[in-house]
Amino acid sequence: SAVISQKPSRDICQRGTSLTIQCQVDSQVTMMFWYRQQPGQSLTLIATANQGSEATYESGFVIDKFPISRPNLTFSTLTVSNMSPEDSSIYLCSVDGGAGTYTEAFFGQGTRLTVV
Amino acid sequence: DAKTTQPTSMDCAEGRAANLPCNHSTISGNEYVYWYRQIHSQGPQYIIHGLKNNETNEMASLIITEDRKSSTLILPHATLRDTAVYYCIEKAAGNKLTFGGGTRVLVKP
Repeated sequence: SAVISQKPSRDICQRGTSLTIQCQVDSQVTMMFWYRQQPGQSLTLIATANQGSEATYESGFVIDKFPISRPNLTFSTLTVSNMSPEDSSIYLCSVDGGAGTYTEAFFGQGTRLTVV
Repeated sequence: DAKTTQPTSMDCAEGRAANLPCNHSTISGNEYVYWYRQIHSQGPQYIIHGLKNNETNEMASLIITEDRKSSTLILPHATLRDTAVYYCIEKAAGNKLTFGGGTRVLVKP
């Protein structure tokens, strides 16, 4: 299995500021994903973090708002930019080895973000 | 959008088997049925997955109908710690997970 560490675990931020969330995996993985979970809701995929290239964003999410980096096969960051109270959510990192590695996805414990 | 259908919520008694249904009538031949659960304030946890055969592991059993249009997750002896939201997801190897609303399971003493 893969062990995922997310930092910070929680934060309270002022509107208009930005927060960068880090995701570190204990082994090299092919695919890394970022999800958002709004209060009382299910998980929504934000983007797939691609190593060595630009992230692939889902409908409704844009790079200017959620820039993502993936410098290597064990690390990724998600930035929530120019935050508003509507960005208050749990943000989760997930990894999946793809067809050749793991058959299941693993999740970090999430970053609980509150924007005031 | 999620392609599976699950009941919104269900209660079950501690110590009894919990049977969680899922409909996936449009599942493709290369898609597996995955089950995850999310205990409050934690990241989702993998439970089990299957293609067409029934599967069992230390956590649960997965029963898939012969036509693959539905499945049932069985928690053989539910405990209070099994209270969580359970998600049934169709997924092909290498594809992303798309979460639906899941079933909120409350295990009662």
